[in-house]
Amino acid sequence: AQTVTQSQPEMSVQEAETVTLSCTYDTSESDYYLFWYKQPPSRQMILVIRQEAYKQQNATENRFSVNFQKAAKSFSLKISDSQLGDAAMYFCAYRSATRGMNNDMRFGAGTRLTVKP
Amino acid sequence: KAGVTQTPRYLIKTRGQQVTLSCSPISGHRSVSWYQQTPGQGLQFLFEYFSETQRNKGNFPGRFSGRQFSNSRSEMNVSTLELGDSALYLCASSFAPPAGHSNEKLFFGSGTQLSVL
Repeated sequence: AQTVTQSQPEMSVQEAETVTLSCTYDTSESDYYLFWYKQPPSRQMILVIRQEAYKQQNATENRFSVNFQKAAKSFSLKISDSQLGDAAMYFCAYRSATRGMNNDMRFGAGTRLTVKP
Repeated sequence: KAGVTQTPRYLIKTRGQQVTLSCSPISGHRSVSWYQQTPGQGLQFLFEYFSETQRNKGNFPGRFSGRQFSNSRSEMNVSTLELGDSALYLCASSFAPPAGHSNEKLFFGSGTQLSVL
């Protein structure tokens, strides 16, 4: 079974600084997607960034970028120029892309990010 | 375009009762997934519906059930409530099931917070 591990329950960063959130996963599949979701106090999960496992290039969305290490099964999220609005719970998630397999999302336990002014 | 709407936002029930939660997907979306979020277990997949058919089911007891209507609205039901059922129940919708190499993105609602006393 696929599992996702986020080893940092809490992180904090100074406004305008850079922070990296860690995520590792375990799978025997070679074809999958990885995601980072943000959950602010409103509770709505918002997609931050997505990475296809077959792509070697790391995904980037404005101030958000990932470091995808397929062999190490590592998928970290870097937030540059942190803003107060970035404060939230961040979840790393995995989805199999193998047809015929269950394609539900597997989530990590989450990392609570605090941004200090 | 309205987002995913979940009702009610908050619900308080007592042990042994049953509860029905509602999810209205984004207009045009035909796939609906349900997740349970608790502090101890994190986010866990409940089930997924597409065109009124359950496509996938997570590892939950039979007390948890769901359905999808012809207008894509979905309901989930929990019978004989237990204290451990207290959780945030999140619904997510997409145009089609995010399977294989689909580029489908999940859009989440703000959830229903269920408290079982």
